[in-house]
Amino acid sequence: DVKVTQSSRYLVKRTGEKVFLECVQDMDHENMFWYRQDPGLGLRLIYFSYDVKMKEKGDIPEGYSVSREKKERFSLILESASTNQTSMYLCASSYRGSGANVLTFGAGSRLTVL
Amino acid sequence: DAKTTQPPSMDCAEGRAANLPCNHSTISGNEYVYWYRQIHSQGPQYIIHGLKNNETNEMASLIITEDRKSSTLILPHATLRDTAVYYCIVRPYNTDKLIFGTGTRLQVFP
Repeated sequence: DVKVTQSSRYLVKRTGEKVFLECVQDMDHENMFWYRQDPGLGLRLIYFSYDVKMKEKGDIPEGYSVSREKKERFSLILESASTNQTSMYLCASSYRGSGANVLTFGAGSRLTVL
Repeated sequence: DAKTTQPPSMDCAEGRAANLPCNHSTISGNEYVYWYRQIHSQGPQYIIHGLKNNETNEMASLIITEDRKSSTLILPHATLRDTAVYYCIVRPYNTDKLIFGTGTRLQVFP
């Protein structure tokens, strides 16, 4: 079964800490995505990568960076975590450029910043 | 980018058809309509997509109006397990990004 695996289901960090959220997919997908989900706001796209070492900003990239050194792995980095980054973070992947752009999501990482 | 408008919530009796509407009046001719759903505490799950023609798969049917300005997702025999948030998304033709809105919360009751 195809899988998108997010390394941590729950994290608790302190304000100012550097936080890494890891995502790995085993489907040889070119595209990978990071979304955050907050009550009443739905899913918002943070960053998108369409190839190794390539990235594109989504709607809310401020306070985040990403790394895509290998095709299967896409990392979301919070350089200095703040309380307003407390959220559910969802990683997804898909094939590039196909008519049926079907995203496969991971289970999510719930981050709490104290 | 084409925006979508969905009602925030809907109810449906178990065993009945659930019809979830979506407006996308600014859609362009080569933009696809996608539907995903998210069951509580899980990542979103793909349901179906279409361009112009109506589509059906094992999960649902998608009806797109002739002018493409709106669509309806149909779950023919809703079950309690279909309780979820349903997202209607229009994908811009020149990108693989999917921009989610806030969706429709469907509550299926016994």
